[in-house]
Amino acid sequence: QKEVEQDPGPLSVPEGAIVSLNCTYSNSAFQYFMWYRQYSRKGPELLMYTYSSGNKEDGRFTAQVDKSSKYISLFIRDSQPSDSATYLCAMFETSGSRLTFGEGTQLTVNP
Amino acid sequence: SQTIHQWPATLVQPVGSPLSLECTVEGTSNPNLYWYRQAAGRGLQLLFYSVGIGQISSEVPQNLSASRPQDRQFILSSKKLLLSDSGFYLCAWTPKDTQYFGPGTRLTVL
Repeated sequence: QKEVEQDPGPLSVPEGAIVSLNCTYSNSAFQYFMWYRQYSRKGPELLMYTYSSGNKEDGRFTAQVDKSSKYISLFIRDSQPSDSATYLCAMFETSGSRLTFGEGTQLTVNP
Repeated sequence: SQTIHQWPATLVQPVGSPLSLECTVEGTSNPNLYWYRQAAGRGLQLLFYSVGIGQISSEVPQNLSASRPQDRQFILSSKKLLLSDSGFYLCAWTPKDTQYFGPGTRLTVL
């Protein structure tokens, strides 16, 4: 069993939809959680970073962490065609330790 | 601000040829540095990481090697490439609590 499981894609939504991307994990020692966005043929770009359980909002993006359920989510409101990319969740135990990644979810937002 | 560079951006090499990919980081000192490989449509596979000059840890035994000759320089090498070495190679560095990636090198071995 993988330490991090990410909802498989691909996911296709109409412009303006609310998108929910999800990951579950099995290692209760994970404390830091990140979401990356990766456009085709580009390096992953850090979107959101959070440490504690709860919600963190940044513009149209909201990261949600539920440590008791070992579940994290990224919500995208008013999705745009420019949001079309692969989204990767990542997490690690302590500062400076190695990241464990999900396999990624490919999102397409159709105009 | 910190910047991470990788070159070349793309590379096409024949099987059995050598490889050298370079990564440099600007604007920081003594970063933790990482090499990942991403196969098409797949997740990220950690290959090597380094916490300082000359300090390399290998995650995947294979025909690749890494070196860190300077504080902010990380090099990925191979003496003889295999077809299975094709992929997207990403360098990353870690400040305190997160990780940032370079633009990547797309390697095709023919």
